[in-house]
Amino acid sequence: KAGVTQTPRYLIKTRGQQVTLSCSPISGHRSVSWYQQTPGQGLQFLFEYFSETQRNKGNFPGRFSGRQFSNSRSEMNVSTLELGDSALYLCASSARVRSDTQYFGPGTRLTVL
Amino acid sequence: AQSVTQPDIHITVSEGASLELRCNYSYGATPYLFWYVQSPGQGLQLLLKYFSGDTLVQGIKGFEAEFKRSQSSFNLRKPSVHWSDAAEYFCAVVGYNNNDMRFGAGTRLTVKP
Repeated sequence: KAGVTQTPRYLIKTRGQQVTLSCSPISGHRSVSWYQQTPGQGLQFLFEYFSETQRNKGNFPGRFSGRQFSNSRSEMNVSTLELGDSALYLCASSARVRSDTQYFGPGTRLTVL
Repeated sequence: AQSVTQPDIHITVSEGASLELRCNYSYGATPYLFWYVQSPGQGLQLLLKYFSGDTLVQGIKGFEAEFKRSQSSFNLRKPSVHWSDAAEYFCAVVGYNNNDMRFGAGTRLTVKP
């Protein structure tokens, strides 16, 4: 089985712009979670989607949003980028929504200038 | 509040020596516990997990971890470290009935030749 894929792998944006990141889960997995990883804050949970519905949300401003499609692929969007949004964004997929093992993609490295 | 603590930010061991990485958690009930490893610029790879049952869990790459309820700990061990084990290691917990994974700050492992 192919693993979790994320595109693009690297992205450079400027402040004020918006960005969309994409995640394709492992085949058959219906839950997709997103995490932000920074040197200062570590790994932080952004949100989780299951069957196109947001099931859980972390403590991030409304500029961070996401969605999931009927094929379980997910996108996250960050609007009005700030310098502090520079991070590695990781996507993870799991088969179920509750307490299941999550498998991570390689991440998208976002740099905001 | 739910939290995960990895007391050691950085550990250096000699190749062939044994390794123990510490993890303590604070949670309302026994959570599900995971260890992940991350190489530079990469996503997270699952080493092992504990859901229930035998408190000594075997993982990939020769790693094992022991769950100790009385100490709220889930320490990772390896009897003989290889140079390729140099990476960052994250302990993580997930509560029952959700996929909101909380991570420790990570322990960076350096392996001396």
